[in-house]
Order: sequence, then C-alpha cells, then structure tokens
Amino acid sequence: AQSVAQPEDQVNVAEGNPLTVKCTYSVSGNPYLFWYVQYPNRGLQFLLKYITGDNLVKGSYGFEAEFNKSQTSFHLKKPSALVSDSALYFCAVRDGGDFGNEKLTFGTGTRLTIIP
Amino acid sequence: DVKVTQSSRYLVKRTGEKVFLECVQDMDHENMFWYRQDPGLGLRLIYFSYDVKMKEKGDIPEGYSVSREKKERFSLILESASTNQTSMYLCASSFIEYRGNTEAFFGQGTRLTVV
Repeated sequence: AQSVAQPEDQVNVAEGNPLTVKCTYSVSGNPYLFWYVQYPNRGLQFLLKYITGDNLVKGSYGFEAEFNKSQTSFHLKKPSALVSDSALYFCAVRDGGDFGNEKLTFGTGTRLTIIP
Repeated sequence: DVKVTQSSRYLVKRTGEKVFLECVQDMDHENMFWYRQDPGLGLRLIYFSYDVKMKEKGDIPEGYSVSREKKERFSLILESASTNQTSMYLCASSFIEYRGNTEAFFGQGTRLTVV
C-alpha cells in the first residue's frame, strides 16, 4: 500500500524567511511525488513533481522540493516566503512503474501561514 | 490549458436523496478520480477510473458509486445521501502513466451539504 505523511498541520513563517513544508512517503516501487497548493474555496493547483533524475526539483512560484530516497522524504522549500504563499499544501505519491496502479494518494495537508 | 469542470460549486440535498456529481475533462485523460476533502483528513480517494466503463474502489467507497460511460465524463453518485457525506468533493484527471505527464489536474470542487 502507498501512503504519504505530512507531520505538521500548521507551519508559520515570517515574511522573507526560508520555508520548509515536510512530506514523507511509502511505496513499494519507484515513487512519483507531487506537491499541490490550495487557496480558499478553490481546487488544487499543481506546483511541482519528481519522477526521476535530479533530486532537486523546481516548480511554480519559486518553490522547489528535494527528493531524498534514503529518508523517503520530499520536502517543499522556498528561499524567501511571501504573504501570498499562505495556503494549504498537499503532498501526493503514485507508485511509478506499477503499471495498472494509477492511484494517487494524498497527505492530510499543511496549512502555511506567512506572517508580515 | 487543461480544464476539469465540476457541474456545481455548491449543493444542498436532503437526507435519503440520490445525488449526482458530474465532472468533465477536456484533455483526453485516461484517469479520472473522485476525492472528498475534510478538515484534518486531507484528500481521501473514493473511486477512480482508468478507462471507459472501468472503475476501481479507492480508500472510502462505501455509500458511493461511479459511472464512466464516456472518456471525458466521470460521475459520482450518492445512492442515499446521509449527513456524514457533507463534504467538499474534488474531481481530478491525469494521463495514464505510459503517456507521460503524470500530474493530476483538479476541478474547482463541489461543496455538498446534506441536511
């Protein structure tokens, strides 16, 4: 079975400081990993993904994420937070290479608040 | 741009009613998903489909069914709505893995209230 854990329900960061939102995963095969952001009363927007290759992935709005296979983690990062980054963030995993298993599993979400 | 459209933003239904939530995508995606989102629980997968007329149960299928008669349309059905099905429902679609670009695209969500 595949699963995702987001250990922090809430993260508060001062504007201009670096931010990190944590995610760990469990799959039996190769992980395909994703980050999504949700603004109030909206659907989810895709931020970035790791499929293969470079462990540091860059995405939308200046966000990046680092894949760490040994720690089974995929933490979301940004060097300098903006107030507009305040939103709900979801990590998701898919078991890549397991043909026939197209299931996409999400974590419980982390609410990021950037303090002016 | 990929577009996933859910037929309603807000719905209010009575207990015991049969409820249909409709979702349409315009990107020729094979996979379509229905999730429900509840505070503190994140997104939980109800059902997904990887082809027309094909469906697979997700993590919480009880009380729900689905229909996929055409590739672009995926319907979620609450056979007899109950108050514990009050939630935000999100539809998503994606390519099947061998076609690449594996990220899912989401609709705007339907907030369903059962009274």
